[in-house]
Amino acid sequence: EDQVTQSPEALRLQEGESSSLNCSYTVSGLRGLFWYRQDPGKGPEFLFTLYSAGEEKEKERLKATLTKKESFLHITAPKPEDSATYLCAVQANSGYALNFGKGTSLLVTP
Amino acid sequence: GAVVSQHPSWVICKSGTSVKIECRSLDFQATTMFWYRQFPKQSLMLMATSNEGSKATYEQGVEKDKFLINHASLTLSTLTVTSAHPEDSSFYICSSGRDPPKNIQYFGAGTRLSVL
Repeated sequence: EDQVTQSPEALRLQEGESSSLNCSYTVSGLRGLFWYRQDPGKGPEFLFTLYSAGEEKEKERLKATLTKKESFLHITAPKPEDSATYLCAVQANSGYALNFGKGTSLLVTP
Repeated sequence: GAVVSQHPSWVICKSGTSVKIECRSLDFQATTMFWYRQFPKQSLMLMATSNEGSKATYEQGVEKDKFLINHASLTLSTLTVTSAHPEDSSFYICSSGRDPPKNIQYFGAGTRLSVL
């Protein structure tokens, strides 16, 4: 059975304090690993898709990396507007539905 | 990115009534859409896969007679919660992927359902 585990559950950073979020996964045949951002009361907003170990993608202050067992979302010099819940999800070769982790709730204080 | 529109954003209903939620792909055709449910402080759980022109596929434990899905066109899927009860109160979200690459799923803004 596919499993996605995210850590930590919650993270509080000061503005400018870089850190990383972890996503450990098991899946029978990975089509893709996804990172989304979700603000309270909103649907998830697409950030990145990673397809193979060693792949990296960047967007502004965010950088996602992938190994065969886990993915990291690195946040460099975060700002208060980066506060949100970050969701990791895996997509198996068998279909297009996503299996989500529980998310990491990030709070960045000024 | 692709745009998926969901309506309504918030609905309050009495126990025993039915509620319909719409999910539209605004700038692409979607042969497949997905419906998820999210309880407070929990992650998104897949409820069903909506297929245009055919029956939906439901995940284990999801009652197909309670959560009716209709995907009558390439841009619209609807989820009807029939005879809603307080335990059905949740955040319902749909997603779809543009083809290609079909695998990147874009989500609607979600519908908050409160059953009194």
